[in-house]
Amino acid sequence: KNEVEQSPQNLTAQEGEFITINCSYSVGISALHWLQQHPGGGIVSLFMLSSGKKKHGRLIATINIQEKHSSLHITASHPRDSAVYICAVRKRDGDKIIFGKGTRLHILP
Amino acid sequence: DTGVSQNPRHKITKRGQNVTFRCDPISEHNRLYWYRQTLGQGPEFLTYFQNEAQLEKSRLLSDRFSAERPKGSFSTLEIQRTEQGDSAMYLCASTSGLATFTDTQYFGPGTRLTVL
Repeated sequence: KNEVEQSPQNLTAQEGEFITINCSYSVGISALHWLQQHPGGGIVSLFMLSSGKKKHGRLIATINIQEKHSSLHITASHPRDSAVYICAVRKRDGDKIIFGKGTRLHILP
Repeated sequence: DTGVSQNPRHKITKRGQNVTFRCDPISEHNRLYWYRQTLGQGPEFLTYFQNEAQLEKSRLLSDRFSAERPKGSFSTLEIQRTEQGDSAMYLCASTSGLATFTDTQYFGPGTRLTVL
């Protein structure tokens, strides 16, 4: 079983829909990252969370440390949000980061 | 452009050849990470440096792989005797590493390796 699991693997939605991507992990962590990867490989860091909730524009990220679960929400989704969204955790017992396999999001106009 | 840069962006090589990739981190970032990403998968950790010291290596990093960061600035990743299974995107990231719980990793554009 992977230490970081994301769901869904693929998600197609209409422009304007509210999007939720989930991440569950099974190890003790010091931080969780949400990353966005565009076609061609470029990766952008969206959020770094250790507790609670963060908001940036139309993006909201939450984390529940007790349940070992995080969600990334996109409000009023737009075709330019189409990308792969990756959850990554920094293990508490070192500096290594473990990545999920990513969620491929496609927003239709 | 003050972001992380990687060269080359694409490399096609024949099986058995050696290849070397370069990563230039954001200036003054003291931590540098190498990752490998195969198609349809998330990135996998390979190794990381704190300044010039290589602090951790993944078991994915076989003896054909070697990474250096001689002056604590740019880093190179060399693959010897390449195999078709080495075909992947090789990503580099850097952080300031000043506060472990709050640092953000800044990724380069990656080097896509194709081994024929």
